[in-house]
Amino acid sequence: QVQLQESGPGLVKPSGTLSLTCAVSGGSISSSNWWSWVRQPPGKGLEWIGEIYHSGSTNYNPSLKSRVTISVDKSKNQFSLKLSSVTAADTAVYYCARVPTAAGVGNWFDPWGQGTLVTVSS
Amino acid sequence: DIQMTQSPSSLSASVGDRVTITCRASQSISSYLNWYQQKPGKAPKLLIYAASSLQSGVPSRFSGSGSGTDFTLTISSLQPEDFATYYCQQSYSSDTFGQGTKLEIK
Repeated sequence: QVQLQESGPGLVKPSGTLSLTCAVSGGSISSSNWWSWVRQPPGKGLEWIGEIYHSGSTNYNPSLKSRVTISVDKSKNQFSLKLSSVTAADTAVYYCARVPTAAGVGNWFDPWGQGTLVTVSS
Repeated sequence: DIQMTQSPSSLSASVGDRVTITCRASQSISSYLNWYQQKPGKAPKLLIYAASSLQSGVPSRFSGSGSGTDFTLTISSLQPEDFATYYCQQSYSSDTFGQGTKLEIK
């Protein structure tokens, strides 16, 4: 079964760039799925960040679009997130997830990685 | 943006109770609605997709219904492991989540 694992620095300085990688195992990132990032500030709800297809096509949350870049590395079976100009408001647990899609009924997130806490602080 | 509003925000119930959580979309989203369960310190887990389809491996006491703007998640007989926070999510346009419903033990 497909498993996802996030990795990256747990502490980022304000105005810096947050960089995370999601390694996919048990399946190919080139399968017919999108791959997504979702975040959750401590004690708060979930926010979709964006998604990528193995072709490199992307979709981003309009509220974050100017600061987000998601890329894919098919040779390593992984995808990555970069979020620039971070502030304390970007402190959150960041999850990666597979995004199965079905015509006429939309898409959902399954499975999810375990999540990684990124704190923005000097 | 499509806004998703869940009610109630929190709920106290007992083992064996039947529980219903509601999710309302700010515009019609057809059946593009999913439900997740999240326990403290864990990633969300998919329960229901496409409004009413039960994800493989999820107990049959969970069910979903609705279309358009109004949706419900029902747990027919609460079990101890069901106490968690539940989120709805729409995928009709630029995925968004509800604010969550925390289900606590009475």
